Amino acid sequence: AQSVAQPEDQVKVAEGNPLTVKCTYSVSGNPYLFWYVQYPNRGLQFLLKYITGDNLVKGSYGFEAEFNKSQTSFHLKKPSALVSDSALYFCAVSRPGPVNRDDKIIFGKGTRLHILP
Amino acid sequence: DTGVSQNPRHKITKRGQNVTFRCDPISEHNRLYWYRQTLGQGPEFLTYFQNEAQLEKSRLLSDRFSAERPKGSFSTLEIQRTEQGDSAMYLCASSLDGRLSYNEQFFGPGTRLTVL
Repeated sequence: AQSVAQPEDQVKVAEGNPLTVKCTYSVSGNPYLFWYVQYPNRGLQFLLKYITGDNLVKGSYGFEAEFNKSQTSFHLKKPSALVSDSALYFCAVSRPGPVNRDDKIIFGKGTRLHILP
Repeated sequence: DTGVSQNPRHKITKRGQNVTFRCDPISEHNRLYWYRQTLGQGPEFLTYFQNEAQLEKSRLLSDRFSAERPKGSFSTLEIQRTEQGDSAMYLCASSLDGRLSYNEQFFGPGTRLTVL
């Protein structure tokens, strides 16, 4: 069965400092990995994805994530945090399949990111 | 706006009543998903459609829940005899099929259900 773990409920970082939000996953075969962000009263917004290829994936708003197959991790990073990055972040995993196969996304519980001014 | 839309955005109902939510996906997307999100949790998969065919239903989807996508465009999610435990945000997402879009799902703003 597929699963995603986000070990930190909250992460606090001072503005301008680098940030990391941790994610580990469990899936048989090669995973598709995603990060989504959720702002208050708004829907989930897609940040980035890893499908194949380069282990470092760049996404929206200056975020990037590093796929580490040996550690089954997909940590989200940003070199310099902004106060506007404060939100709820979800890591997610899916397993690719042929058409009409189950390809639902399994989400982690989320990590609330607080960027302190 | 050509994103995923959901109506209503908020629904307050009394226990035992029936409610229906609507989702309009991105027009060219043939896959449509329903998720439920409770406070402090990530979204949990409920069901999904490929065009008008409902291909999977989660164990979370009890007999009181039914979803339809009659013409392969918009979808409805109905909850009969609502219970307080049904209070949650119901999210809809759409995507092209997995071969073309690598499962990138676009989410609507959600319908927040409160059962009193």
